[in-house]
Amino acid sequence: GAGVSQSPRYKVAKRGQDVALRCDPISGHVSLFWYQQALGQGPEFLTYFQNEAQLDKSGLPSDRFFAERPEGSVSTLKIQRTQQEDSAVYLCASSSRQGPWAYEQYFGPGTRLTVT
Amino acid sequence: GQQVMQIPQYQHVQEGEDFTTYCNSSTTLSNIQWYKQRPGGHPVFLIQLVKSGEVKKQKRLTFQFGEAKKNSSLHITATQTTDVGTYFCAEYSGAGSYQLTFGKGTKLSVIP
Repeated sequence: GAGVSQSPRYKVAKRGQDVALRCDPISGHVSLFWYQQALGQGPEFLTYFQNEAQLDKSGLPSDRFFAERPEGSVSTLKIQRTQQEDSAVYLCASSSRQGPWAYEQYFGPGTRLTVT
Repeated sequence: GQQVMQIPQYQHVQEGEDFTTYCNSSTTLSNIQWYKQRPGGHPVFLIQLVKSGEVKKQKRLTFQFGEAKKNSSLHITATQTTDVGTYFCAEYSGAGSYQLTFGKGTKLSVIP
């Protein structure tokens, strides 16, 4: 089977625009994570889904960030009124295990967002 | 979440030399994971350590979890150009937490 896929791979947005980033996890994986990775830094946790339930959204930096996974598979990360500081790579990861300590996570290639 | 500190930030080695990166915490870690990210790529899971003093090997890579569970190391023997990338340690913040907290990583360059 295919790995985690993300689209688009690159997105350029003008400041103030809304963007939607898509993640297709590995089929059957119950756990899905979103991370933000700034240049030269490690990934930073944004939010976690267990199936369709968003169990942890404590890492979302502001109320402009919103994530959903309505059917427990594909997930979308939406950023409203983008700001320059939102420029980063957004990584999605999935895991077959659930709950805390979801063991190994399989990462997608990421979406590089540039806000101009 | 807890902060894990990684050193060094950068490491340049001649091909064939050994390489070690360290991950340190001021508090006891419940577990530690290691990931590798190639330039332009995404993090790839390498291993998870849970037990005090645990040592695991994967070919030329040796992973160690300290006795006090406050530090971990990744050692690569006889580096190859394919080892180039950034190595991250990461840990789940604690009981009931879903957050995987990454260190800043060690960027390894291998000179052929």
